[in-house]
Amino acid sequence: ELKVEQNPLFLSMQEGKNYTIYCNYSTTSDRLYWYRQDPGKSLESLFVLLSNGAVKQEGRLMASLDTKARLSTLHITAAVHDLSATYFCAVDRRNQGGKLIFGQGTELSVKP
Amino acid sequence: NAGVTQTPKFQVLKTGQSMTLQCAQDMNHNSMYWYRQDPGMGLRLIYYSASEGTTDKGEVPNGYNVSRLNKREFSLRLESAAPSQTSVYFCASSSDRAYEQYFGPGTRLTVT
Repeated sequence: ELKVEQNPLFLSMQEGKNYTIYCNYSTTSDRLYWYRQDPGKSLESLFVLLSNGAVKQEGRLMASLDTKARLSTLHITAAVHDLSATYFCAVDRRNQGGKLIFGQGTELSVKP
Repeated sequence: NAGVTQTPKFQVLKTGQSMTLQCAQDMNHNSMYWYRQDPGMGLRLIYYSASEGTTDKGEVPNGYNVSRLNKREFSLRLESAAPSQTSVYFCASSSDRAYEQYFGPGTRLTVT
């Protein structure tokens, strides 16, 4: 059974600091996704990682994928208040394209 | 483009009542999905449809039925609502090439 685990589940940061969110998954997967969700809102796609060693960056967020370790990281550089949200990673099952399994989510709060 | 739309936005039901959640997308996507989101559990797939006329079960299908009415529309029906179905329901769609899923605004359902 494919399981996806994120840590930490809650993260309180000060503005200007760096931190990393980790996403571990239990079995082989085709693709890994990162989503952002603001309170009471829908999910917004941030990154799609397709292969081992993939790295993508958008502003203060950088995501990477290590398929051998079954690990993805979302690194936050010099956090700002606008990054406060819940971040989800998700993977899809090999040969069952499109059926996403989500992690529990990491609730990030960036304080001045 | 409206993207993915869902109706209603909010709904309160009594135990045993039935209702249908509607979802439509205008992106010409083949695949559509229904998820439920509960606190601390991320999103869980209820049903999905890889193409018009086909549907398949996800992780938590019990108590739900779906209809892929045409390429644009994918509905989720609760035949006899139970308090355990209190949740936020998200519809999503994806194309065969882009992999990433685009989410609707969600329906907040409370069953009393």
